[in-house]
Amino acid sequence: DTGVSQDPRHKITKRGQNVTFRCDPISEHNRLYWYRQTLGQGPEFLTYFQNEAQLEKSRLLSDRFSAERPKGSFSTLEIQRTEQGDSAMYLCASSYTRQQDTQYFGPGTRLTVL
Amino acid sequence: AQTVTQSQPEMSVQEAETVTLSCTYDTSESDYYLFWYKQPPSRQMILVIRQEAYKQQNATENRFSVNFQKAAKSFSLKISDSQLGDAAMYFCAYQGAQKLVFGQGTRLTINP
Repeated sequence: DTGVSQDPRHKITKRGQNVTFRCDPISEHNRLYWYRQTLGQGPEFLTYFQNEAQLEKSRLLSDRFSAERPKGSFSTLEIQRTEQGDSAMYLCASSYTRQQDTQYFGPGTRLTVL
Repeated sequence: AQTVTQSQPEMSVQEAETVTLSCTYDTSESDYYLFWYKQPPSRQMILVIRQEAYKQQNATENRFSVNFQKAAKSFSLKISDSQLGDAAMYFCAYQGAQKLVFGQGTRLTINP
């Protein structure tokens, strides 16, 4: 099995720009999660999908954030009108409900908003 | 809401010695899972060990073992025969329904 992959690994943008991140889960995994991690903190849950359905969103996910998983495979996380406070590591994880639902993480996308 | 607390921001241990990382959690659920994840400086989060709350037996994975005290809501990680490659941030995490709730992390340093 290849692991969870994320692209890009690093993104530097200017305040007010839009950015989009991609996550490719482990191939048979039906659940996909997005977390945000700021420096020195543990990851915080943003949203998750089961297949293509977005089943839960954190209140951390403001209306500038949107996530999709159009065919139940890869997912995208878009941030519109970025703010300096959006600077963080964005982690993706995937799991399979028939394999005890353990979540496996990708390497993350580090976003820096100037 | 569930919370996870790691009271040790930093720990250090001599190579080959044993170290225990502490974690407490708060929940009203009876069925849940607990995890320890490791995040080395490269920042890829790696699963270390998993414990199902309904199991009384403590989980073990090679040099890593846990002490799960359900009534006390405590879930500590013991690392035996510490190795330089064990140096990392260690996160305790709780999973009820689907999402993980993480503690603040403990930075573990291994002294050669």
